[in-house]
Amino acid sequence: SQQGEEDPQALSIQEGENATMNCSYKTSINNLQWYRQNSGRGLVHLILIRSNEREKHSGRLRVTLDTSKKSSSLLITASRAADTASYFCATDDRASKIIFGSGTRLSIRP
Amino acid sequence: NAGVTQTPKFQVLKTGQSMTLQCAQDMNHNSMYWYRQDPGMGLRLIYYSASEGTTDKGEVPNGYNVSRLNKREFSLRLESAAPSQTSVYFCASFNRGNSPLHFGNGTRLTVT
Repeated sequence: SQQGEEDPQALSIQEGENATMNCSYKTSINNLQWYRQNSGRGLVHLILIRSNEREKHSGRLRVTLDTSKKSSSLLITASRAADTASYFCATDDRASKIIFGSGTRLSIRP
Repeated sequence: NAGVTQTPKFQVLKTGQSMTLQCAQDMNHNSMYWYRQDPGMGLRLIYYSASEGTTDKGEVPNGYNVSRLNKREFSLRLESAAPSQTSVYFCASFNRGNSPLHFGNGTRLTVT
């Protein structure tokens, strides 16, 4: 099974609302990254958080990391139609093995 | 600066045929990866190479082989293609630190 399991699998919210998605992983990590993928396109890097960091912000994105619970969350504030996409977490370990989560499909309703 | 170059972009194979997907990066990254992505799914790691001269299995290695030819190039070979290998394949490279994975544009492979 994949290292990262994401929750929820799908999320539909109204434009302007906040979206929160969660990622859980199984082993010790160096970093955790979040990516966005629009339908039929490649992955776009959003944010990287190191294992010794607890929170990181980038524009409307806020990522938290709880290594004791082996989990991370991605918050997108004030959602826009353009945020409609799939979001994936990815973890890398000491061996440089990088595993992706199963993803959250986010739909923003106008 | 090309980043990660992956070829071919599209390929159709018949069951049992073989092919090699090529990947090259010009960012002097140590680590390189091959992933597959099935429709509606996340990326699954096939093989990776943490550094030149090493390769390791990922989550779904069966039916594939890899070669880290040098620091720049990492190829993926399907010896006997099966319909279950129909997927989009992504190559990526990475260096430890504060940098993300850098992806190629993907190869859409169909096995009939």
